[in-house]
Amino acid sequence: EVQLVQSGAEVKKPGESLKISCKGSGYSFTNYWIGWVRQMPGKGLEWMGIIYPGDSDTRYSPSFQGQVTISADKSISTAYLQWSSLKASDTAMYYCARRAGGVGAVFDYWGQGTLVTVSS
Amino acid sequence: EIVLTQSPGTLSLSPGERATLSCRASQSVSSSSLAWYQQKPGQAPRLLIYGASSRATGIPDRFSGSGSGTDFTLTISRLEPEDFAVYYCQQYGSSWTFGQGTKVEIK
Repeated sequence: EVQLVQSGAEVKKPGESLKISCKGSGYSFTNYWIGWVRQMPGKGLEWMGIIYPGDSDTRYSPSFQGQVTISADKSISTAYLQWSSLKASDTAMYYCARRAGGVGAVFDYWGQGTLVTVSS
Repeated sequence: EIVLTQSPGTLSLSPGERATLSCRASQSVSSSSLAWYQQKPGQAPRLLIYGASSRATGIPDRFSGSGSGTDFTLTISRLEPEDFAVYYCQQYGSSWTFGQGTKVEIK
């Protein structure tokens, strides 16, 4: 069974750093892209970026380029999303999702989400 | 960037009724690279439709997608209680973008 399990909720202060994780299982982690999606409170879905764990090829949405860093450790089947200096506006739910294979570049499996709260 | 505009913002219907949701793209979506997702409160999105009209694994046949170019539609033929949720379209022909969502609520 394909599963993406994300790290737990975080409460941080503005200016702090943070790295959240997404661990894949039940499939060949290195062969599928993993994307990250933001959902601000009460709002819609925003694609942030995507990584191919096999060679760490990474693409970012222009809206998030330079704001976050996406990485992966294929030895432990885990992708990461990190911030060097959080802002209150980073408060949101963050989802990781697997890009499907043969059916096109849709996201077929999703993690349960990690809620990040940034408040002084 | 391709911008997706969904309408209506909210659809108020009763169980058993037909729901028709629209998604319009700012430019043509290549190869019908358009998907629909369902999201219920407190849950992650779930893939319903890909390639504009193909149902994902395990999705009931009351869900159907149609359209091409810049205009796409998701139809739920007869609403079940579990179908009341927010629906998002997504294009994946040129990077990835989502529409702002349509909420289907109980009338």
